[in-house]
Amino acid sequence: AQSVTQPDIHITVSEGASLELRCNYSYGATPYLFWYVQSPGQGLQLLLKYFSGDTLVQGIKGFEAEFKRSQSSFNLRKPSVHWSDAAEYFCAVENSGYSTLTFGKGTMLLVSP
Amino acid sequence: DAGVTQSPTHLIKTRGQQVTLRCSPKSGHDTVSWYQQALGQGPQFIFQYYEEEERQRGNFPDRFSGHQFPNYSSELNVNALLLGDSALYLCASSLGSQETQYFGPGTRLLVL
Repeated sequence: AQSVTQPDIHITVSEGASLELRCNYSYGATPYLFWYVQSPGQGLQLLLKYFSGDTLVQGIKGFEAEFKRSQSSFNLRKPSVHWSDAAEYFCAVENSGYSTLTFGKGTMLLVSP
Repeated sequence: DAGVTQSPTHLIKTRGQQVTLRCSPKSGHDTVSWYQQALGQGPQFIFQYYEEEERQRGNFPDRFSGHQFPNYSSELNVNALLLGDSALYLCASSLGSQETQYFGPGTRLLVL
């Protein structure tokens, strides 16, 4: 069965600093991978997705993620974090065939002044 | 273009009661999936509806049931509520089985 691991429960980054959130997946075939963001008390907003092709994908709000098959990873990056980026970030892999998702437990991003 | 909407936003029930949550998919979407997000956890897939049929189901007991209407909106029903059913319930819609899911704001259920 597919699974997603987000090893960092919390990460604190200074405003203006770069960010990398880690995601590792377990999946038998070529995965479809996603990053979602959830602000407090809100639903999930799609940041970006990888289906195939270029392994570096660009998303909204200046985020990007790189798919590395050899490392089973799909890490999320942003060159300069803004205070409004403080939220919880979820990595997910699509379950084969039906567009349903298996999520990691999330990483809470805190942004310090 | 309206996104995914859910009602109610918050709900308080007591153990043993039954609850119904509602979801309207994004315009043009025909597939609805439901997820449960317990506090401090990632969302967990409950089930998916397409063409008014349950197409896929996650590891949830039969107390969790659903329905999809001809206009593609959906309901999630939970019977015999347990304290552990307290969670944020998220609805997601997509067009068919191969497209990206878009999530609603969720319904927060508290079981006392």
